[in-house]
Amino acid sequence: DGGITQSPKYLFRKEGQNVTLSCEQNLNHDAMYWYRQDPGQGLRLIYYSQIVNDFQKGDIAEGYSVSREKKESFPLTVTSAQKNPTAFYLCASSSPPRDYGYTFGSGTRLTVV
Amino acid sequence: AQTVTQSQPEMSVQEAETVTLSCTYDTSESDYYLFWYKQPPSRQMILVIRQEAYKQQNATENRFSVNFQKAAKSFSLKISDSQLGDAAMYFCAYPYYGGATNKLIFGTGTLLAVQP
Repeated sequence: DGGITQSPKYLFRKEGQNVTLSCEQNLNHDAMYWYRQDPGQGLRLIYYSQIVNDFQKGDIAEGYSVSREKKESFPLTVTSAQKNPTAFYLCASSSPPRDYGYTFGSGTRLTVV
Repeated sequence: AQTVTQSQPEMSVQEAETVTLSCTYDTSESDYYLFWYKQPPSRQMILVIRQEAYKQQNATENRFSVNFQKAAKSFSLKISDSQLGDAAMYFCAYPYYGGATNKLIFGTGTLLAVQP
């Protein structure tokens, strides 16, 4: 079945560490997205990529980095510059037509210890 | 700027009753789509229903229907015959397409509790 796979499901980070969250899709979607979810704030866009080797900052990109070397993969690195990384992270993908909606992964819960 | 507002942080409904979740949005586009997503305790985002702005008829998917008021920029979700499995966070979302900038804009969500 086609879908989006996020790993790991739970991730613990020590202060000062960089960690990378994986997102892989086999839907042949062109666009991929990373969202951060905090209680009471909905989902906020971190980074997105419309095509391979290109990506754009979203609303809260500071302290995060991404790459898009393959169409199927869009990993997110949470760097030590992100001061409050504890959150739930969702990866999504989409493709035309516009009414198709977005497909989401099952998320990664990141906790700073 | 495109925005999505959900003014009800929490709602509660009795099993088998009907509940309506509110959403307002702002856009300068004339043709667009709107979505309602459900996020159960598993945290998997599930597309519940979609509406295309130029269509006069309100979308319906089984027990879920919308009341779309384009002029008022209102997009509410009605859940009929509520079931325990409907308990979840519900997000209203607007897919913004602006050339190189394409993104899904979410409201802050409404947490729905279903009482047996």
